[in-house]
Amino acid sequence: AQSVTQLDSQVPVFEEAPVELRCNYSSSVSVYLFWYVQYPNQGLQLLLKYLSGSTLVESINGFEAEFNKSQTSFHLRKPSVHISDTAEYFCAVSLSRDDKIIFGKGTRLHILP
Amino acid sequence: ETGVTQSPTHLIKTRGQQVTLRCSSQSGHNTVSWYQQALGQGPQFIFQYYREEENGRGNFPPRFSGLQFPNYSSELNVNALELDDSALYLCASSPRDRGVNTEAFFGQGTRLTVV
Repeated sequence: AQSVTQLDSQVPVFEEAPVELRCNYSSSVSVYLFWYVQYPNQGLQLLLKYLSGSTLVESINGFEAEFNKSQTSFHLRKPSVHISDTAEYFCAVSLSRDDKIIFGKGTRLHILP
Repeated sequence: ETGVTQSPTHLIKTRGQQVTLRCSSQSGHNTVSWYQQALGQGPQFIFQYYREEENGRGNFPPRFSGLQFPNYSSELNVNALELDDSALYLCASSPRDRGVNTEAFFGQGTRLTVV
């Protein structure tokens, strides 16, 4: 069965500093990978996704994630965070484009002034 | 183009009662998936509806049931509520021909509290 492990439940980081949110997945077959963001008291928004092709995927707001098949990881990075990035971030996997999405437990990104 | 809307936004129910949550899918989206997000946890898949039929189900008991209507909107019904059913319930709509989860849009959720 597929599973997702987000290694950090909370990550504090100073504003304008770089950040990495770690995600590892477990699957014996190829998967689709996602990062979702949940701002306080809101639903989920898709941040970026890896389906195939280039292993580095980028979002419009400066985040990027790299698919590493050998390490079964899909870590999320941003070179310089802003206070507006304060949110909970969920890594997720799916076996196919129509299958259910399996989410990790989330990482709360806390931006320090 | 309207987004995914869920109603109500908040709800308080007593243990043993029944509840119905509603989801209006985004225009052009024919598939609806429901997720339960307990406090401090990631969302968990409850079930998915396509063409008014259940099309996949997660590890939830039968007292969790759903419906999809011809206009693609959906309901989630929970009978015999338990305290552990307290959670944020999220609905996601997507166009099946472009990928259920690759083009999924989530609503704001319904916060259910069971007392």
